[in-house]
Amino acid sequence: EAGVVQSPRYKIIEKKQPVAFWCNPISGHNTLYWYLQNLGQGPELLIRYENEEAVDDSQLPKDRFSAERLKGVDSTLKIQPAELGDSAVYLCASSSATSTDTGELFFGEGSRLTVL
Amino acid sequence: KQEVTQIPAALSVPEGENLVLNCSFTDSAIYNLQWFRQDPGKGLTSLLLIQSSQREQTSGRLNASLDKSSGRSTLYIAASQPGDSATYLCVWPSILTGGGNKLTFGTGTQLKVEL
Repeated sequence: EAGVVQSPRYKIIEKKQPVAFWCNPISGHNTLYWYLQNLGQGPELLIRYENEEAVDDSQLPKDRFSAERLKGVDSTLKIQPAELGDSAVYLCASSSATSTDTGELFFGEGSRLTVL
Repeated sequence: KQEVTQIPAALSVPEGENLVLNCSFTDSAIYNLQWFRQDPGKGLTSLLLIQSSQREQTSGRLNASLDKSSGRSTLYIAASQPGDSATYLCVWPSILTGGGNKLTFGTGTQLKVEL
């Protein structure tokens, strides 16, 4: 079975340009996370979905970032316009969570963004 | 605020040594704990998941233990190899009051195993 799939793996853009990242979680996983990871630091949560509902987006910079998970399966994270400080790795993760168990967490390979 | 601390922050050892990586958490209301490794430029790879009802899990040369009373998890790596060089992260998920969950990442241990 395929793991969490992310694309693109690498993206280089100029500042002020838009960029989008796509994530396909493990089949059947109801919870999907987007994380941002800067070099040498741990992942920071951007948004968490339970099925199609964004249940925690408090850390998402909503002036330029947006995300969607329309059918509760795959998800897209968009940045428009990108800034130099957005250069980082964007990680997607998924799990099969219940009300009493967060489930085992699986990560994709990440999408590395470089903004010039 | 939940905090997850990993000790040591960095470790450099010769090949063949048995290693101990520590993860400490401040809240004993733990549901499970998961250990990951991360290679440079890559995503996080799950190593072991310990359910709150378990005390340890083993996979190959890896063994992870969980002691809720002391708020600590330990990852043992036996007979370390250069391929074990990576950053090791523990992740502590918690169920939030009112529903939902929160993942708290440890500060990480950067391991280098030399020939």
